[in-house]
Amino acid sequence: QVQLVESGGDVVQPGRSLRLSCAASGFTLSNFDMDWVRQAPGEGLEWVAILSSDGTTKHYADSVKGRFTISRDNSRNTMYLQMTSLTLQDTAVYYCAKNREGGSLDSWGQGTLVTVSS
Amino acid sequence: SFVLTQAPSVSVAPGETARITCGGNNIGIKSVHWTRQKAGQAPVEVIYNDSDRPSGIPERLSASNSGNTATLTISKVEAGDEADYFCQVWDTNTDHRVFGGGTKLTVL
Repeated sequence: QVQLVESGGDVVQPGRSLRLSCAASGFTLSNFDMDWVRQAPGEGLEWVAILSSDGTTKHYADSVKGRFTISRDNSRNTMYLQMTSLTLQDTAVYYCAKNREGGSLDSWGQGTLVTVSS
Repeated sequence: SFVLTQAPSVSVAPGETARITCGGNNIGIKSVHWTRQKAGQAPVEVIYNDSDRPSGIPERLSASNSGNTATLTISKVEAGDEADYFCQVWDTNTDHRVFGGGTKLTVL
């Protein structure tokens, strides 16, 4: 069955970088658009980024554009989120999610916690 | 950018019907998807493409989308339906996914 496992979350200082991973099983990442979505403590869901199935199209939320990069390693069936210049406002649980045809997010990982703190 | 508006909370008694709305400018021309998140858990898709249910989601959950409002309806509400519900769309003008602020459903 479809499974998504995020990892890489940590406590980091403002201005530092971090890379999150999303390991997929039960399906081939390169066949689907994939998203990163985050949730700050006690808050709602905030979309972060999307990577198209063919890997050529990437879109980012305004809040992370220029700082975050979404990518994929087909050989590892793993998606990444490289985060730089982290700020306190980036503190959140980060989820990766798989798109179904039509754009809904039909499978989600359990999330990985990123805490930005001095 | 496209904005989705949800009431922060809805409360219903067990066995009653809960209606959770999602407002947006002419949202009826977009595909609306709904996600449920129970306390301490990851989000789960409950409705896609306005009104389709993924496998495993009971028929008690239904949805519609027209005009400026999309609605998620949960009939015969059970304690296990208590959760945060988020609507979402893809904004083709900005190529951004947009989430509503979420509605917390409380079962009295």
